[in-house]
Amino acid sequence: DAGITQSPRHKVTETGTPVTLRCHQTENHRYMYWYRQDPGHGLRLIHYSYGVKDTDKGEVSDGYSVSRSKTEDFLLTLESATSSQTSVYFCAISGRDSRQETQYFGPGTRLLVL
Amino acid sequence: KNEVEQSPQNLTAQEGEFITINCSYSVGISALHWLQQHPGGGIVSLFMLSSGKKKHGRLIATINIQEKHSSLHITASHPRDSAVYICAVIWVETSGSRLTFGEGTQLTVNP
Repeated sequence: DAGITQSPRHKVTETGTPVTLRCHQTENHRYMYWYRQDPGHGLRLIHYSYGVKDTDKGEVSDGYSVSRSKTEDFLLTLESATSSQTSVYFCAISGRDSRQETQYFGPGTRLLVL
Repeated sequence: KNEVEQSPQNLTAQEGEFITINCSYSVGISALHWLQQHPGGGIVSLFMLSSGKKKHGRLIATINIQEKHSSLHITASHPRDSAVYICAVIWVETSGSRLTFGEGTQLTVNP
């Protein structure tokens, strides 16, 4: 298994509070991704990174920001959490672009916004 | 809107049966991924393909670019194959490394 961890694994928070999820990899992979998974929608890309300090938006990026200051860590921040951001969040990594290589997924973080 | 459709949504089989899960997409793609999500929630990549066929153990993935269709086959199915199988594509027109996912096929294999 690829060395990829997510923290926290579970979190309950209140509407309006900031939340930061961390994805950490030990594989030195260039690409890192944040997805959310919701019933009826499947997996959807929030943001991804193609290198340190290089990030791009996915299809559901509103309300989320990301940062990647070093290769191994990719942070997802909800500046002011809303109930619609209750979801399961997955981080993934890959050595190359999705046209060339599969992705390795982290274990997921369950976030409940009350 | 570019779409990925999977069929069936739910599939129940008896152990030993041959299983086929289908994925269709609306416009041209650069590559297609098949993923497996275990009952506990973990996600594993099974295949990435852009043409032809790939095989790994009892799993076979095929793609027909002209028909915009891919299939995932499982031979001699086993209860441990019970999982959600997800198809994902990267559109030709997409810049960057963005995947678009289908909603998944829930497979249950009974002993």
